[in-house]
Amino acid sequence: DVKVTQSSRYLVKRTGEKVFLECVQDMDHENMFWYRQDPGLGLRLIYFSYDVKMKEKGDIPEGYSVSREKKERFSLILESASTNQTSMYLCASINPGPYEQYFGPGTRLTVT
Amino acid sequence: RKEVEQDPGPFNVPEGATVAFNCTYSNSASQSFFWYRQDCRKEPKLLMSVYSSGNEDGRFTAQLNRASQYISLLIRDSKLSDSATYLCVVNYNAGNMLTFGGGTRLMVKP
Repeated sequence: DVKVTQSSRYLVKRTGEKVFLECVQDMDHENMFWYRQDPGLGLRLIYFSYDVKMKEKGDIPEGYSVSREKKERFSLILESASTNQTSMYLCASINPGPYEQYFGPGTRLTVT
Repeated sequence: RKEVEQDPGPFNVPEGATVAFNCTYSNSASQSFFWYRQDCRKEPKLLMSVYSSGNEDGRFTAQLNRASQYISLLIRDSKLSDSATYLCVVNYNAGNMLTFGGGTRLMVKP
């Protein structure tokens, strides 16, 4: 079974803090994604990566950056957390062909 | 206009009922279509792919209508365990990116 893990299930940070969310997948997938999910807005793509050291902006990249130093690891960085970044963050990797995305369990981030 | 639109619900149905969800998409160049299921406070998981000819998996039937640009999911003989949010997902063949609808919430009551 594909496994996508995220470093934390719940996180509470203060406004202005730098926040790192880590994601690791064990299926050697090239493509990895970071989404946020908010009530009424659904899943929105923040950034994705199709290879090591490669990244592309998604629909809502402002206030975020990413890092992909190794194929299995994709990190999301909030340089200076703000209250409007309180959300559920979901990492995913994709199995090309059937395009099935495997999601991590999510990190519920609260910025106070 | 959202690229993938769904009625958010909730759909409240009794056990044993048949329920159907529709989803519309705006990009006629869409290539692949899926239904994902998301339980409360859990991550989305693939329920089934949707093929042009329609496909069935047990109590679940998915249909695609390219002319009208909509996808449907039919659940027969609803179970309590079917209670979840169902996400309609479209691939526009732009790499491996998927676009998600906002989800339709189903609540099956005893």
